[in-house]
Amino acid sequence: EAQVTQNPRYLITVTGKKLTVTCSQNMNHEYMSWYRQDPGLGLRQIYYSMNVEVTDKGDVPEGYKVSRKEKRNFPLILESPSPNQTSLYFCASHGTGWNEQFFGPGTRLTVL
Amino acid sequence: GQNIDQPTEMTATEGAIVQINCTYQTSGFNGLFWYQQHAGEAPTFLSYNVLDGLEEKGRFSSFLSRSKGYSYLLLKELQMKDSASYLCAVAGNTPLVFGKGTRLSVIA
Repeated sequence: EAQVTQNPRYLITVTGKKLTVTCSQNMNHEYMSWYRQDPGLGLRQIYYSMNVEVTDKGDVPEGYKVSRKEKRNFPLILESPSPNQTSLYFCASHGTGWNEQFFGPGTRLTVL
Repeated sequence: GQNIDQPTEMTATEGAIVQINCTYQTSGFNGLFWYQQHAGEAPTFLSYNVLDGLEEKGRFSSFLSRSKGYSYLLLKELQMKDSASYLCAVAGNTPLVFGKGTRLSVIA
Protein backbone atom coordinates (compact mmCIF):
# COMPACT_ATOMS: atom_id res chain seq x y z
CA GLU A 1 0.00 0.00 0.00
CA ALA A 2 1.34 3.43 -1.01
CA GLN A 3 1.76 5.49 2.10
CA VAL A 4 3.66 8.04 4.14
CA THR A 5 4.33 7.07 7.73
CA GLN A 6 5.30 9.28 10.66
CA ASN A 7 6.46 8.45 14.13
CA PRO A 8 5.60 9.16 16.81
CA ARG A 9 1.97 10.11 16.31
CA TYR A 10 1.79 11.86 19.65
CA LEU A 11 4.58 13.30 21.78
CA ILE A 12 4.69 15.36 24.94
CA THR A 13 8.13 16.66 25.84
CA VAL A 14 9.86 19.42 27.76
CA THR A 15 11.68 22.52 26.63
CA GLY A 16 15.22 21.88 25.41
CA LYS A 17 15.04 18.10 25.06
CA LYS A 18 16.12 17.18 21.54
CA LEU A 19 13.66 15.13 19.54
CA THR A 20 13.29 13.63 16.07
CA VAL A 21 10.09 12.92 14.19
CA THR A 22 10.62 10.32 11.50
CA CYS A 23 8.96 10.28 8.09
CA SER A 24 9.13 7.53 5.53
CA GLN A 25 7.46 6.99 2.15
CA ASN A 26 7.32 3.85 0.02
CA MET A 27 6.44 5.43 -3.34
CA ASN A 28 9.96 6.31 -4.50
CA HIS A 29 8.98 9.99 -4.51
CA GLU A 30 11.61 12.64 -5.10
CA TYR A 31 9.87 15.46 -3.23
CA MET A 32 9.25 15.44 0.49
CA SER A 33 8.07 18.24 2.76
CA TRP A 34 7.36 19.03 6.38
CA TYR A 35 4.45 21.26 7.42
CA ARG A 36 3.12 22.50 10.70
CA GLN A 37 -0.52 23.34 11.19
CA ASP A 38 -1.79 25.78 13.79
CA PRO A 39 -5.31 27.11 14.37
CA GLY A 40 -5.99 30.15 12.21
CA LEU A 41 -2.68 29.86 10.38
CA GLY A 42 -3.25 26.87 8.13
CA LEU A 43 -0.52 24.60 6.84
CA ARG A 44 2.88 26.25 6.76
CA GLN A 45 5.90 24.64 5.14
CA ILE A 46 8.95 24.12 7.34
CA TYR A 47 11.42 22.46 4.99
CA TYR A 48 11.30 20.60 1.73
CA SER A 49 13.59 18.32 -0.22
CA MET A 50 13.70 17.77 -3.96
CA ASN A 51 15.97 14.75 -3.78
CA VAL A 52 18.61 12.99 -1.71
CA GLU A 53 21.02 15.46 -0.08
CA VAL A 54 18.99 18.43 -1.38
CA THR A 55 16.99 20.39 1.19
CA ASP A 56 15.58 23.93 1.26
CA LYS A 57 13.91 26.16 3.81
CA GLY A 58 10.20 26.69 3.64
CA ASP A 59 8.26 29.51 5.26
CA VAL A 60 8.97 28.72 8.92
CA PRO A 61 12.32 26.89 9.24
CA GLU A 62 13.57 28.50 12.48
CA GLY A 63 14.20 25.96 15.21
CA TYR A 64 14.07 22.95 12.90
CA LYS A 65 16.55 20.82 10.98
CA VAL A 66 16.06 18.12 8.39
CA SER A 67 18.17 15.61 6.53
CA ARG A 68 17.67 13.55 3.39
CA LYS A 69 20.30 10.82 3.35
CA GLU A 70 17.99 8.30 1.69
CA LYS A 71 15.18 8.85 -0.76
CA ARG A 72 12.52 7.28 1.43
CA ASN A 73 13.29 9.06 4.72
CA PHE A 74 13.03 12.70 5.72
CA PRO A 75 13.34 13.15 9.51
CA LEU A 76 12.48 16.42 11.25
CA ILE A 77 14.81 17.36 14.10
CA LEU A 78 14.11 19.81 16.89
CA GLU A 79 17.47 20.39 18.59
CA SER A 80 16.04 22.45 21.46
CA PRO A 81 12.25 22.43 21.38
CA SER A 82 10.33 25.40 22.77
CA PRO A 83 6.64 25.78 23.66
CA ASN A 84 5.95 27.75 20.46
CA GLN A 85 6.73 24.58 18.54
CA THR A 86 3.69 22.90 20.00
CA SER A 87 1.74 22.05 16.86
CA LEU A 88 0.40 19.38 14.52
CA TYR A 89 3.09 18.29 12.07
CA PHE A 90 2.59 16.66 8.69
CA CYS A 91 5.10 15.05 6.39
CA ALA A 92 4.20 14.79 2.69
CA SER A 93 5.68 13.46 -0.53
CA HIS A 94 5.06 13.59 -4.26
CA GLY A 95 6.82 12.48 -7.42
CA THR A 96 8.26 14.53 -10.27
CA GLY A 97 5.65 16.42 -12.20
CA TRP A 98 2.99 18.22 -10.27
CA ASN A 99 0.46 15.73 -9.07
CA GLU A 100 -1.12 14.48 -5.91
CA GLN A 101 0.83 15.08 -2.74
CA PHE A 102 0.44 12.30 -0.17
CA PHE A 103 0.34 13.24 3.50
CA GLY A 104 1.38 11.27 6.51
CA PRO A 105 -1.11 10.85 9.39
CA GLY A 106 0.34 13.71 11.43
CA THR A 107 2.32 14.06 14.67
CA ARG A 108 0.81 16.04 17.50
CA LEU A 109 3.66 17.58 19.50
CA THR A 110 3.32 19.34 22.83
CA VAL A 111 6.33 21.10 24.32
CA LEU A 112 5.94 22.02 27.99
CA GLY B 1 5.38 37.15 -2.81
CA GLN B 2 2.85 34.39 -2.56
CA ASN B 3 -0.67 34.85 -1.28
CA ILE B 4 -3.68 32.56 -1.26
CA ASP B 5 -7.07 33.75 -0.01
CA GLN B 6 -10.18 31.76 0.77
CA PRO B 7 -13.11 32.39 3.11
CA THR B 8 -12.58 31.32 6.69
CA GLU B 9 -15.95 29.70 7.29
CA MET B 10 -19.08 28.73 5.38
CA THR B 11 -22.33 27.05 6.32
CA ALA B 12 -24.64 25.17 3.96
CA THR B 13 -27.65 22.91 4.18
CA GLU B 14 -27.65 19.17 3.60
CA GLY B 15 -28.58 18.41 -0.02
CA ALA B 16 -27.64 21.87 -1.26
CA ILE B 17 -24.76 23.10 -3.43
CA VAL B 18 -21.88 25.18 -2.08
CA GLN B 19 -19.05 26.98 -3.86
CA ILE B 20 -15.78 27.69 -2.08
CA ASN B 21 -13.65 30.36 -3.75
CA CYS B 22 -9.89 30.72 -3.79
CA THR B 23 -7.81 33.58 -5.19
CA TYR B 24 -4.05 33.39 -5.47
CA GLN B 25 -0.91 35.31 -6.35
CA THR B 26 2.19 33.15 -6.69
CA SER B 27 5.62 33.10 -8.28
CA GLY B 28 5.16 30.72 -11.18
CA PHE B 29 2.24 28.37 -11.60
CA ASN B 30 2.29 24.60 -11.91
CA GLY B 31 -1.24 23.83 -10.86
CA LEU B 32 -3.86 24.32 -8.18
CA PHE B 33 -4.98 21.67 -5.73
CA TRP B 34 -7.97 21.26 -3.45
CA TYR B 35 -7.73 19.12 -0.33
CA GLN B 36 -10.30 18.07 2.25
CA GLN B 37 -9.27 17.86 5.87
CA HIS B 38 -11.33 16.58 8.78
CA ALA B 39 -10.36 17.86 12.20
CA GLY B 40 -7.16 16.26 13.50
CA GLU B 41 -6.63 14.23 10.34
CA ALA B 42 -4.31 14.51 7.35
CA PRO B 43 -5.44 16.40 4.24
CA THR B 44 -6.79 14.19 1.48
CA PHE B 45 -6.54 15.04 -2.20
CA LEU B 46 -9.71 16.17 -4.01
CA SER B 47 -8.66 17.74 -7.30
CA TYR B 48 -5.88 19.21 -9.43
CA ASN B 49 -6.29 21.89 -12.11
CA VAL B 50 -3.49 23.08 -14.34
CA LEU B 51 -5.50 24.29 -17.35
CA ASP B 52 -8.41 26.72 -17.37
CA GLY B 53 -11.84 25.22 -17.06
CA LEU B 54 -13.93 22.87 -15.00
CA GLU B 55 -12.88 19.43 -13.77
CA GLU B 56 -15.71 17.25 -12.53
CA LYS B 57 -15.34 14.26 -10.25
CA GLY B 58 -18.57 12.90 -8.86
CA ARG B 59 -20.18 15.37 -6.45
CA PHE B 60 -17.08 17.57 -6.50
CA SER B 61 -16.00 19.93 -9.28
CA SER B 62 -13.12 22.38 -9.44
CA PHE B 63 -12.71 25.39 -11.72
CA LEU B 64 -9.61 27.37 -12.63
CA SER B 65 -9.00 30.71 -14.33
CA ARG B 66 -5.27 31.33 -14.54
CA SER B 67 -5.65 34.85 -15.96
CA LYS B 68 -7.77 35.85 -12.96
CA GLY B 69 -5.79 33.90 -10.37
CA TYR B 70 -9.05 32.30 -9.30
CA SER B 71 -10.41 28.88 -8.54
CA TYR B 72 -13.49 27.43 -6.91
CA LEU B 73 -14.51 24.09 -5.50
CA LEU B 74 -18.14 23.14 -6.04
CA LEU B 75 -19.75 20.55 -3.81
CA LYS B 76 -23.15 19.21 -4.86
CA GLU B 77 -25.74 17.21 -2.93
CA LEU B 78 -24.09 18.08 0.34
CA GLN B 79 -23.89 15.41 2.99
CA MET B 80 -23.20 15.77 6.70
CA LYS B 81 -19.85 14.01 6.20
CA ASP B 82 -18.76 16.90 3.94
CA SER B 83 -18.36 19.03 7.08
CA ALA B 84 -14.61 19.62 7.02
CA SER B 85 -11.97 22.17 6.11
CA TYR B 86 -11.19 22.64 2.43
CA LEU B 87 -7.68 23.73 1.56
CA CYS B 88 -6.67 25.50 -1.63
CA ALA B 89 -2.99 25.02 -2.53
CA VAL B 90 -0.91 26.31 -5.41
CA ALA B 91 2.22 24.77 -6.89
CA GLY B 92 4.49 27.63 -7.90
CA ASN B 93 8.24 27.70 -8.16
CA THR B 94 8.50 25.89 -4.83
CA PRO B 95 6.46 22.99 -3.46
CA LEU B 96 2.88 23.62 -2.47
CA VAL B 97 1.75 26.79 -0.76
CA PHE B 98 -1.52 26.41 1.14
CA GLY B 99 -4.29 28.82 1.91
CA LYS B 100 -5.56 28.90 5.50
CA GLY B 101 -8.52 26.73 4.62
CA THR B 102 -12.30 27.15 4.62
CA ARG B 103 -14.22 25.42 7.38
CA LEU B 104 -17.50 24.15 5.95
CA SER B 105 -20.35 23.22 8.26
CA VAL B 106 -23.22 21.23 6.76
CA ILE B 107 -26.45 21.55 8.71
CA ALA B 108 -29.65 19.57 8.51
